[in-house]
Amino acid sequence: GEDVEQSLFLSVREGDSSVINCTYTDSSSTYLYWYKQEPGAGLQLLTYIFSNMDMKQDQRLTVLLNKKDKHLSLRIADTQTGDSAIYFCAEKRGGADGLTFGKGTHLIIQP
Amino acid sequence: NAGVTQTPKFQVLKTGQSMTLQCAQDMNHEYMSWYRQDPGMGLRLIHYSVGAGITDQGEVPNGYNVSRSTTEDFPLRLLSAAPSQTSVYFCASSYGQAYGYTFGSGTRLTVV
Repeated sequence: GEDVEQSLFLSVREGDSSVINCTYTDSSSTYLYWYKQEPGAGLQLLTYIFSNMDMKQDQRLTVLLNKKDKHLSLRIADTQTGDSAIYFCAEKRGGADGLTFGKGTHLIIQP
Repeated sequence: NAGVTQTPKFQVLKTGQSMTLQCAQDMNHEYMSWYRQDPGMGLRLIHYSVGAGITDQGEVPNGYNVSRSTTEDFPLRLLSAAPSQTSVYFCASSYGQAYGYTFGSGTRLTVV
């Protein structure tokens, strides 16, 4: 099937905002998710957005959804060293079970 | 509150051996699933279950079997291990898509 696309790497300075982008594939996707994976660990659900929303904010995290372009972004304000991880975008496609994941974006924090 | 528990954390198998990866959740989630994670590939769905007694195939089911005799447990069986099955395996469960999916910490499997 078609891929969920993400950039492989993003490097930001500590204290700056990080913006991780994702392009998903199915216009009928109902839910879109962001997961965080630290080295050697499982995936931690950060946030999700329902397809009839265009923005969701949760403390330092802001999710923006552009359904027309099938584009999803995750903004992390005031990026800290603890935010260093791989971030996965995932979609719940209409009529499908399970999630379809992107390959993940490695967020690198520069001091 | 254990969440999703996977055992073992690490396993080395010889080609042709069989084994079962265990997954248990204590959140009374109806939906459970297995994914594999390979470098540069993201996660791919192997099998899933929408409730006890019901299972179905995902994107990459070949070489794996599952069963769901209870709500809590969803074991993944490798019938005859192959080097291509070297991967990290994650189990996930959910109340439903509006709640997201809770993942276990993974099993790192190496087949030699």
